[in-house]
Amino acid sequence: IAGITQAPTSQILAAGRRMTLRCTQDMRHNAMYWYRQDLGLGLRLIHYSNTAGTTGKGEVPDGYSVSRANTDDFPLTLASAVPSQTSVYFCASIASSYNEQFFGPGTRLTVL
Amino acid sequence: QQQVKQSPQSLIVQKGGISIINCAYENTAFDYFPWYQQFPGKGPALLIAIRPDVSEKKEGRFTISFNKSAKQFSLHIMDSQPGDSATYFCAARDPRSRGSSNTGKLIFGQGTTLQVKP
Repeated sequence: IAGITQAPTSQILAAGRRMTLRCTQDMRHNAMYWYRQDLGLGLRLIHYSNTAGTTGKGEVPDGYSVSRANTDDFPLTLASAVPSQTSVYFCASIASSYNEQFFGPGTRLTVL
Repeated sequence: QQQVKQSPQSLIVQKGGISIINCAYENTAFDYFPWYQQFPGKGPALLIAIRPDVSEKKEGRFTISFNKSAKQFSLHIMDSQPGDSATYFCAARDPRSRGSSNTGKLIFGQGTTLQVKP
C-alpha cells in the first residue's frame, strides 16, 4: 500500500454501539489526525497525535477516543455511538510542518 | 467560534471564467495557509499553499492572494474548467500545536462547492 488506508469504507451503526474506525499509513509520518466532515461545517479536528505514544484533543473530541501505539496506526473509537456522530470521517498524516497533509479516502458512518 | 471563515458556500462559474473563493482568519499567529481540493467520494488533497511572508503564489491556473493586514486570503482559479468542479477548503495552521515533531494542527474553513458549467 502507499499512503493512508481507512476501514471500513462505510458503516451503519445502531446508537449505543461501540465502533472503531481504523487508519493506517505507510509513509512513516510522525503526526496523524482525525477529522469529521459535515456539510456547511467543513473539516473539524477530533483528535491528533504529533508522535507515536502521544495524543491530543482537537476541536470536537467529546464522545471519541484515540490511541497511537505505533507510527503507522491511529484508530478512532466511538465508545457509545449517538446519531450526531453521523458523518464522514477522514484520517490524515503529515511528515513535518509545512509539508502536505495527506488524507485517507474516508469512512462514511451512519448512526441510527 | 469559527477561526477560519470561508465564502461563498457554493459557486457556479462558466467554463473559461474566474473562480474566486475567499477566507478570513482571526488568529495572527497562524503561519501557514493551504488550500485543499476534494472530489466527491475522495479525501481532500493539497492544491496550493502560502506562508504569510509573501502576498501571492501562483501555480498554473491557481493563485493564492494573501493580505496579512486584513487577515484575508483568497484562491483564484483562472480559465476555470469543468474538471475543476469540486469542493475547496482553505485552512490555517496553528503553530502552538506543533509539539516535538514540529507539525501542527490545521483549522479548516467551511468549504466551497464549485461547479464549472461547460
